[in-house]
Amino acid sequence: DTGVSQDPRHKITKRGQNVTFRCDPISEHNRLYWYRQTLGQGPEFLTYFQNEAQLEKSRLLSDRFSAERPKGSFSTLEIQRTEQGDSAMYLCASSSITGTGGDLYNEQFFGPGTRLTVL
Amino acid sequence: AQSVTQLDSQVPVFEEAPVELRCNYSSSVSVYLFWYVQYPNQGLQLLLKYLSGSTLVKGINGFEAEFNKSQTSFHLRKPSVHISDTAEYFCAVSRTTGRRALTFGSGTRLQVQP
Repeated sequence: DTGVSQDPRHKITKRGQNVTFRCDPISEHNRLYWYRQTLGQGPEFLTYFQNEAQLEKSRLLSDRFSAERPKGSFSTLEIQRTEQGDSAMYLCASSSITGTGGDLYNEQFFGPGTRLTVL
Repeated sequence: AQSVTQLDSQVPVFEEAPVELRCNYSSSVSVYLFWYVQYPNQGLQLLLKYLSGSTLVKGINGFEAEFNKSQTSFHLRKPSVHISDTAEYFCAVSRTTGRRALTFGSGTRLQVQP
């Protein structure tokens, strides 16, 4: 399977703990996006990378959130001192800026998401 | 900034009936338009996209959408739905230049009944 993968699929944690999620994009894709989806809402943009450079961060990404893409391949999203309001589905998507049908048309391919529950 | 409004949070419909899911958007710049589908416990799958050209766009699974610039709408339609079409549908936009993040609507739950 060459789609976007995310790990773990589910995470339950206690308030105040740190959590880290991983996203593996489609191998030839050089853009990677993180979104957050709360119950009953559409996904909201958090941040995106082009290769290893983090080019934009949403105002939703508080200081407790940090994302990295150290070698321009996989990415991690860490949430420190989790709060109950962080409970959501965290979605990763990737796209390519080269090739046909790629980022030129901003087609993003989504992973299955990581569902975070903060108790 | 862009915004997307999906006018119906839920749409119940009987199997084999036609359906239309409504989407309106607002943007001060040119945008691309998308419809995504999300099945339970799965990620988002692209149904179709409007980039330019013909305003009637055909997608997967028999869905189509029509871009109406004057009404800033991008409604999704299917002439005959199946039980398997039961899912959450999201309309989204992105700028054609610069910032490429998608802005999503709040979704429409399509419930197909036998």
